[in-house]
Amino acid sequence: ETGVTQTPRHLVMGMTNKKSLKCEQHLGHNAMYWYKQSAKKPLELMFVYSLEERVENNSVPSRFSPECPNSSHLFLHLHTLQPEDSALYLCASSQDAGANTIYFGEGSWLTVV
Amino acid sequence: AQSVAQPEDQVNVAEGNPLTVKCTYSVSGNPYLFWYVQYPNRGLQFLLKYITGDNLVKGSYGFEAEFNKSQTSFHLKKPSALVSDSALYFCAVRDGNNDMRFGAGTRLTVKP
Repeated sequence: ETGVTQTPRHLVMGMTNKKSLKCEQHLGHNAMYWYKQSAKKPLELMFVYSLEERVENNSVPSRFSPECPNSSHLFLHLHTLQPEDSALYLCASSQDAGANTIYFGEGSWLTVV
Repeated sequence: AQSVAQPEDQVNVAEGNPLTVKCTYSVSGNPYLFWYVQYPNRGLQFLLKYITGDNLVKGSYGFEAEFNKSQTSFHLKKPSALVSDSALYFCAVRDGNNDMRFGAGTRLTVKP
């Protein structure tokens, strides 16, 4: 166990659906991240939160909407996705957004049909 | 901006042989370097990191990596590979003020 828990592990959704991915970290960290992992592409950083404030948004389409209600929880709200959004979505956390090690959850496999 | 390159998509070694997975980096300041491993259908697991100090860093599962400033490299090594080491390996770099950037990954296959 890494201390970062993601649910659901697998999600299939239609292009008109609204769903959310949930992440919870039990490490007492102050920074949380969403990454996207697609086949044969480098890991893409989507969002960074530090002390519940969004500090980075890497030109992610608005159909992905993050929410960080507190330092232990991070959500990714999904709406009107496209089939090319199908990927593994990884949540991660670190002590802060500086030089510390990032610890990942097991990921949520998303398939958009 | 920092970047990291893993020149090999695939590395194949026989069980019991030494293995090396290559990584080179580019940063504007002092590099913080990391290796992660990803097993099938799992998230990334932290293996080891270099922040400062001894250039040879030891990590989990018998892996080690050597920081070489002149060659801007941080190759991952293990003296004797196991079949269970077969996985996807990611090198990553950050310079302290920026986000962690990951390489494209190298798939390691260890054959019995």
